[in-house]
Amino acid sequence: DTGVSQDPRHKITKRGQNVTFRCDPISEHNRLYWYRQTLGQGPEFLTYFQNEAQLEKSRLLSDRFSAERPKGSFSTLEIQRTEQGDSAMYLCASNPLAGEGEQYFGPGTRLTVT
Amino acid sequence: GEDVEQSLFLSVREGDSSVINCTYTDSSSTYLYWYKQEPGAGLQLLTYIFSNMDMKQDQRLTVLLNKKDKHLSLRIADTQTGDSAIYFCAEISNSGYALNFGKGTSLLVTP
Repeated sequence: DTGVSQDPRHKITKRGQNVTFRCDPISEHNRLYWYRQTLGQGPEFLTYFQNEAQLEKSRLLSDRFSAERPKGSFSTLEIQRTEQGDSAMYLCASNPLAGEGEQYFGPGTRLTVT
Repeated sequence: GEDVEQSLFLSVREGDSSVINCTYTDSSSTYLYWYKQEPGAGLQLLTYIFSNMDMKQDQRLTVLLNKKDKHLSLRIADTQTGDSAIYFCAEISNSGYALNFGKGTSLLVTP
């Protein structure tokens, strides 16, 4: 399967715990994005990487959130001291530098904070 | 931020055509996209249109773009029960790479 993959698919955690999600983009896609989607809403942009450089972070990405893409391939998104409001689907997408901007999404990680 | 607007629900009978509408806000958007999301799943790219086009057809899908009114529509011909899902339109944001999504239109296809 050459699509975007995410792990885990589901995560249940207690408030105050830290969680980390992983995204493996489509091979050779330079650009990688993280989005958050809550119930009844469209995805909201969190952050963007071009290769290993994090070029954009939205206001939604509070200090408790950090994302990395150390070798320009897979990426991780960590949430520290989780809050109930962090419960959402976290989606990863990727695309190549050359293209028409279309992004290819992974299946998402569903986070539930109890 | 800018808002992409979509009607929330649409119900059609199997075999009929479905038309899902979207209003976007950024007149400088170069591309506009339609995505499909089934329950519990990620987003599947359906089609997209370049802003200098007014129509694009891809099998059962037809995209119409009215740039003057910033209106985008997706027509699905011969709608099937498997087309039941949430459909999102999206535009490229001012940043040039992040996507701005609408809230999605939930399409229900009844037999």
